[in-house]
Amino acid sequence: AQSVAQPEDQVNVAEGNPLTVKCTYSVSGNPYLFWYVQYPNRGLQFLLKYITGDNLVKGSYGFEAEFNKSQTSFHLKKPSALVSDSALYFCAVRDLPSNTGKLIFGQGTTLQVKP
Amino acid sequence: NAGVTQTPKFQVLKTGQSMTLQCAQDMNHNSMYWYRQDPGMGLRLIYYSASEGTTDKGEVPNGYNVSRLNKREFSLRLESAAPSQTSVYFCATKGTGLVTDTQYFGPGTRLTVL
Repeated sequence: AQSVAQPEDQVNVAEGNPLTVKCTYSVSGNPYLFWYVQYPNRGLQFLLKYITGDNLVKGSYGFEAEFNKSQTSFHLKKPSALVSDSALYFCAVRDLPSNTGKLIFGQGTTLQVKP
Repeated sequence: NAGVTQTPKFQVLKTGQSMTLQCAQDMNHNSMYWYRQDPGMGLRLIYYSASEGTTDKGEVPNGYNVSRLNKREFSLRLESAAPSQTSVYFCATKGTGLVTDTQYFGPGTRLTVL
């Protein structure tokens, strides 16, 4: 069965420093991987996805993620964090081989960027 | 374009009461989903609808029913609410094809069952 793990409940980083939010996955076959962000009292917003192609995926708001097949990881990164990046981040994998488009989500990681 | 809309935004129920959460989309997507979000548990799929006229159970369907009224609307019903159903509920939609293989979420409904 497909699964996703986000090993850190919270990540703290100073504004201007690089940030990494970790995600590892377990799938049978090729993974479809996603990152979403949730700001307080809001719905989830799509950041980026990996389906095929380049291992480095660029997304919204300056975020990028690196797909690493050997380490089964899909870590979210940003070169220089902003206070406004503080939010809850979810990694997700598409439930394959079902063709329903269902997503399996990690537990979420709270990113706190301090000025 | 409103995208995905949900009503109501907030609701407080007493145990045993019933209610329907509404979701509508103007993205012309075939697939629609209902999730619940609980602290430390991510989002869990309750029900989904791959197309108009079809619905299927997700990970946590007990205590819920759904109706895919037409392509635009997908409602979630709690027949007899329980405190364990206190949660934030999100509706999502998805297009077809690799390029559109992304789910888009509504703003959520915060439900408290006393």
